[in-house]
Amino acid sequence: KNEVEQSPQNLTAQEGEFITINCSYSVGISALHWLQQHPGGGIVSLFMLSSGKKKHGRLIATINIQEKHSSLHITASHPRDSAVYICAVGTGNQFYFGTGTSLTVIP
Amino acid sequence: DTGVSQNPRHKITKRGQNVTFRCDPISEHNRLYWYRQTLGQGPEFLTYFQNEAQLEKSRLLSDRFSAERPKGSFSTLEIQRTEQGDSAMYLCASSFLTVSGANVLTFGAGSRLTVL
Repeated sequence: KNEVEQSPQNLTAQEGEFITINCSYSVGISALHWLQQHPGGGIVSLFMLSSGKKKHGRLIATINIQEKHSSLHITASHPRDSAVYICAVGTGNQFYFGTGTSLTVIP
Repeated sequence: DTGVSQNPRHKITKRGQNVTFRCDPISEHNRLYWYRQTLGQGPEFLTYFQNEAQLEKSRLLSDRFSAERPKGSFSTLEIQRTEQGDSAMYLCASSFLTVSGANVLTFGAGSRLTVL
């Protein structure tokens, strides 16, 4: 069983749609990270959060510590948002990663 | 450049050859991680260092793999007698602990290995 589960694995959306990616985890964490990886590209950290909600532009991340669940929302999606989004949880010493959600936004 | 730097970005080698990757972390970060990522998968943990001490190694790290961080700064990951199954992206990340205990993680761009 993976410590971090993401859904959906693949997601195709029309430009402008509201997108939600979910992450559930089974370990105690100090923080949860949402990461973005473009094809052939490196990994960029979008958010690190340990409670509540954070917003950067069109991206919103929420976390519910009691339910061990986080969501990443993208409002007014754009083709340049097409990437793999990875949820990672930090336990203090170690990080566990989901397998990622591959998002394709069609113009 | 104040990010995590990895070299080379891409390495093509023949099966049986040795390869070495280098990672230069963010200077203030005392923790350094190596991960391996194959297509369609999330990063898989290989090993991590706190300063120069290698604190944990994954079972994925066979005896052909060795990692060092001799002075607590840059790190190298060496793969001996490469096999085609070693073809992957090797990611380095560094981190520091905030006063609240959160581990802030920054990734390098990765070193892609292709074993022919």
